Amino acid sequence: ILNVEQSPQSLHVQEGDSTNFTCSFPSSNFYALHWYRWETAKSPEALFVMTLNGDEKKKGRISATLNTKEGYSYLYIKGSQPEDSATYLCAFLYNTNAGKSTFGDGTTLTVKP
Amino acid sequence: DAGVTQSPTHLIKTRGQQVTLRCSPKSGHDTVSWYQQALGQGPQFIFQYYEEEERQRGNFPDRFSGHQFPNYSSELNVNALLLGDSALYLCASSWDRGLGNEKLFFGSGTQLSVL
Repeated sequence: ILNVEQSPQSLHVQEGDSTNFTCSFPSSNFYALHWYRWETAKSPEALFVMTLNGDEKKKGRISATLNTKEGYSYLYIKGSQPEDSATYLCAFLYNTNAGKSTFGDGTTLTVKP
Repeated sequence: DAGVTQSPTHLIKTRGQQVTLRCSPKSGHDTVSWYQQALGQGPQFIFQYYEEEERQRGNFPDRFSGHQFPNYSSELNVNALLLGDSALYLCASSWDRGLGNEKLFFGSGTQLSVL
């Protein structure tokens, strides 16, 4: 059974704060890691697809890094805004098929104005 | 361009009944995956359909079955419903380019309540 863990479970920050959270996954048989953002009453939306050790991806104020040797990925949000409030999910792929992703339980971020 | 659509949005059933959930993938996508999300947990993989066949399956009993139609739309069927089947059921589509790491496009889900 694959174990994908995300921490912290929830996070409350003030507008303008920078924050980061972690996704831990098995370091063996790595194929890819996805990050998704899930806003309330909407569908999960893909942020990043990460495949190589040392990968760094950026989208606006959000960035992610990947360490496959030690089995973790960090998601960073610079200057958090209320619209960043969402649950952030990571999904680990050990098989060559994005459909069979193993998701963590997510980190729920609340940004207070 | 319509995204992934699921129906119905909400559903209430009683124990022992059967339910069918429906999903239309994003235009151009040929692969449909189904996930179950219990409250406070991440989505759990049920199965995936490609070319009208079940290609992969997660750890779900045979009560969970599915189908994919020639137009790539899909159904999830659950027989003999249990209280524990109450969850949000998410459909996700992707285009199989053979890379194995294609991101998923999700629908808004069907909230199933079993009483």
